[in-house]
Amino acid sequence: GAVVSQHPSRVICKSGTSVKIECRSLDFQATTMFWYRQFPKQSLMLMATSNEGSKATYEQGVEKDKFLINHASLTLSTLTVTSAHPEDSSFYICSAQSGVGQPQHFGDGTRLSIL
Amino acid sequence: KQEVTQIPAALSVPEGENLVLNCSFTDSAIYNLQWFRQDPGKGLTSLLLIQSSQREQTSGRLNASLDKSSGRSTLYIAASQPGDSATYLCAVRPIRDDKIIFGKGTRLHILP
Repeated sequence: GAVVSQHPSRVICKSGTSVKIECRSLDFQATTMFWYRQFPKQSLMLMATSNEGSKATYEQGVEKDKFLINHASLTLSTLTVTSAHPEDSSFYICSAQSGVGQPQHFGDGTRLSIL
Repeated sequence: KQEVTQIPAALSVPEGENLVLNCSFTDSAIYNLQWFRQDPGKGLTSLLLIQSSQREQTSGRLNASLDKSSGRSTLYIAASQPGDSATYLCAVRPIRDDKIIFGKGTRLHILP
C-alpha cells in the first residue's frame, strides 16, 4: 500500500517551455503533498508544501510564479515549471501524506533537462 | 535551523565487508529519523525509520542506531554486496513539523 506515482519520469525540452509534473497517490488520500528538488550531489531540498484545496506554501528562495503547484484533489498534485531554463534542470520528487504526522510516501522522481 | 550532515560523502569498499555510514543533526528535537536508499535517477526507498523514543531498528543486513542527545545516527550494513551500491540518505523530521530535512547522502560503491 501507500503508492505514489509520479509522471513523467523524464522530460527533455527546449528553453522557454512550460513543463507539468504530476504526483498521484494511488491507494490513499493525500491531504498534503510535498515537492522536492535535488541538484547533482546535493540534498533533496523542499520547494513547497501543498494542502488539498488551498494555496501551496513555498520555501524561501523558491519562486511561486515560476513553480506553479496545484493540489485540486486528494489524490493529485501538479508542479508546473513555467518558462523553464537550463538552470531549472534538476531531479524533482514529490511525496504524499495522508494526514498530519503521518509518514511521507515518495514518488520515483522526474528528471527534467532543459536544453 | 536543523542541519543534517552525512559522512563520508562517498565510500568504496570490497564486497563482503561490514560498513558504517554516519549521520549527524544539529537539533535534537526530532520526531523521527529515516534512512533512505536512492539509486541513480530514481526515487527514494525507505530502509529504516527510527522514532525519537527508539535507539535502533534492524532490517535484514541493515541496522540503524539513533543517539538523539548527541545528534547522531549510524547505518550499519553487514556483509556488503554489489547490489548495495547506491546513495544512502539520512533524513530527520522535526517535532511539530512535517517537513523532512535531508542530508546530502553517502554514495556507496561495493566492489565485486
